[in-house]
Amino acid sequence: EVQLVESGGGLVQPGGSLRLSCGATRFMFSRYWMSWVRQTPGKGLEWVANIKEDGSEKYYVDSVKGRFTISRDNAKNSLYLQMNSLRVEDTAVYYCARESRSQFWSLDFWGQGTLVTVSS
Amino acid sequence: DIQMTQSPPSLSASVGDRVTITCRASQSVSTSLNWYQQKPGTAPQLLIYATSTLQRGVPSRFSGSGFGAIFILTISDLQPEDFATYYCQQSYTTTRTFGQGTKVEVK
Repeated sequence: EVQLVESGGGLVQPGGSLRLSCGATRFMFSRYWMSWVRQTPGKGLEWVANIKEDGSEKYYVDSVKGRFTISRDNAKNSLYLQMNSLRVEDTAVYYCARESRSQFWSLDFWGQGTLVTVSS
Repeated sequence: DIQMTQSPPSLSASVGDRVTITCRASQSVSTSLNWYQQKPGTAPQLLIYATSTLQRGVPSRFSGSGFGAIFILTISDLQPEDFATYYCQQSYTTTRTFGQGTKVEVK
């Protein structure tokens, strides 16, 4: 079955940077849009960013524009999220998820998540 | 961006009950509305896509309806494994947005 595995989370000080990775297996990664979604502890889901199959289009939620960059390496079946100028409010579990074109762009598979904690 | 509002934020129900959750969009999203279920400590799982199509393996007691800006998730004959938090999400625009969630708790 499709597998998505996030890594790279951890503790970082405000203003710092972190790069998240998501390894994809058991599907044709290069044929899918991919998303990052985050969840603040005890709160709801927030869509963060997504990227087209070939990386030519990228979209972001307003709160991370100019600070976060989504990218992908189709040769390595990997998705990334570069997070700069981190704020306390960026503390969350970050999930990568696959967007299904045939299922109205729903997020049909998710990783297990990686925790990012921004604190001094 | 399109804002998604769910109601109620939480509800208490018993096994066997019929439960309805409403999701409202700030503008029309046509039928591009998806529902997810999340249990504590786990990633969300897709339940329903395109307003009313059940994801593979989802029991038929789950159903979705609506169009435009108002959508409903119904769970008929609530089962113990259905106590969870449910989220709607619009995929009409490339900048996706989620509702704030509805927690279904044991009465």
